[in-house]
Amino acid sequence: AQSVTQLGSHVSVSEGALVLLRCNYSSSVPPYLFWYVQYPNQGLQLLLKYTSAATLVKGINGFEAEFKKSETSFHLTKPSAHMSDAAEYFCAVTPGGGKLIFGQGTELSVKP
Amino acid sequence: DTEVTQTPKHLVMGMTNKKSLKCEQHMGHRAMYWYKQKAKKPPELMFVYSYEKLSINESVPSRFSPECPNSSLLNLHLHALQPEDSALYLCASSPPSGSLGETQYFGPGTRLLVL
Repeated sequence: AQSVTQLGSHVSVSEGALVLLRCNYSSSVPPYLFWYVQYPNQGLQLLLKYTSAATLVKGINGFEAEFKKSETSFHLTKPSAHMSDAAEYFCAVTPGGGKLIFGQGTELSVKP
Repeated sequence: DTEVTQTPKHLVMGMTNKKSLKCEQHMGHRAMYWYKQKAKKPPELMFVYSYEKLSINESVPSRFSPECPNSSLLNLHLHALQPEDSALYLCASSPPSGSLGETQYFGPGTRLLVL
């Protein structure tokens, strides 16, 4: 069965610092992986998606993620954090058939 | 346009009330989803409709009754809910389910409080 694990339920960075949110997946077949962001009291917004076309995926708001098969990882990064990046971030994998399997989420705090 | 709309934004109901949540999309998607999300937790899948037919029911209690009247509209009828049903209810849509890797687009959610 496919699953994702997000390391760290809470990450805190200073404004302008590198953001690194970790996600490891478990899958017996090439996975389709997603990162979603959820701002307070809002729904989920797609940041980016991996579909095997390229290992480095660029998303919205300056985020990107690199798929590393050898490490079964799909970590999310942003070179310079902004206060507006404070939110909950979810990594997800789809086994198909309409199901999305989410990680437990990582809350990102950005200090001024 | 990748917009999914949900109404109402907030809902307070008693345990004996009957209410409905509404979700709408005009992206031509043929799969629609209901999720339940508790605070500080990931969304939990409740139902999936594909081509207006219920394809997945994740063992949801019968006090939640989904309905898909047409390809653009999804309802969730609520009856005799319990306080533990208080949560954020999210709707999502995607191109036809069953296609691996289809992206789900989420609405803003309805915040439900059951008293």
